[in-house]
Amino acid sequence: DAGVIQSPRHEVTEMGQEVTLRCKPISGHDYLFWYRQTMMRGLELLIYFNNNVPIDDSGMPEDRFSAKMPNASFSTLKIQPSEPRDSAVYFCASSLHAGQYNEQFFGPGTRLTVL
Amino acid sequence: SQQGEEDPQALSIQEGENATMNCSYKTSINNLQWYRQNSGRGLVHLILIRSNEREKHSGRLRVTLDTSKKSSSLLITASRAADTASYFCATILPGTASKLTFGTGTRLQVTL
Repeated sequence: DAGVIQSPRHEVTEMGQEVTLRCKPISGHDYLFWYRQTMMRGLELLIYFNNNVPIDDSGMPEDRFSAKMPNASFSTLKIQPSEPRDSAVYFCASSLHAGQYNEQFFGPGTRLTVL
Repeated sequence: SQQGEEDPQALSIQEGENATMNCSYKTSINNLQWYRQNSGRGLVHLILIRSNEREKHSGRLRVTLDTSKKSSSLLITASRAADTASYFCATILPGTASKLTFGTGTRLQVTL
């Protein structure tokens, strides 16, 4: 298996533009997570899905952020409009079944820079 | 807010030495996990210890958990330059299913 795949790896955009980050989880994993990592705030969970259904989106910073999972093999995180403070590395992760005793597998991340 | 805080924030040792990192957390947990992050890469799971376990080993890694003190430690023995990375503890709080909360991380530098 190729592991969790994220695209793009790097994104540079201007303030106000729409940004879409993509993730393909490991086949067969029921859970998908979106994280954001910054120097100031560390690693934060934004939202996670179970069987394509959003379970907890309490970490989504504001309405400018939205996430979808239309099927078991694809998820998007969209920021519209983007702001400079959204600059961060965004990670997608997946895990097999319930997460209590399951490790999460992380993708390589998307480094977003908003100018 | 951060559930876990690692100590020290940064650690520099020579190859062959042991590295010990500590993690303190605030509330009761179901399990505690340690992850490694190489520069510019995603996190990689190292080891999971359940709340009813006190010690666990995996290769050169040894993890301890003291639920009475709400703390855990990660020991890397006979460190190698390839161990240079940031190390994070992560916890799942009771009733939060799969929601991992990460600590602040320890940056480990292993020099030749």
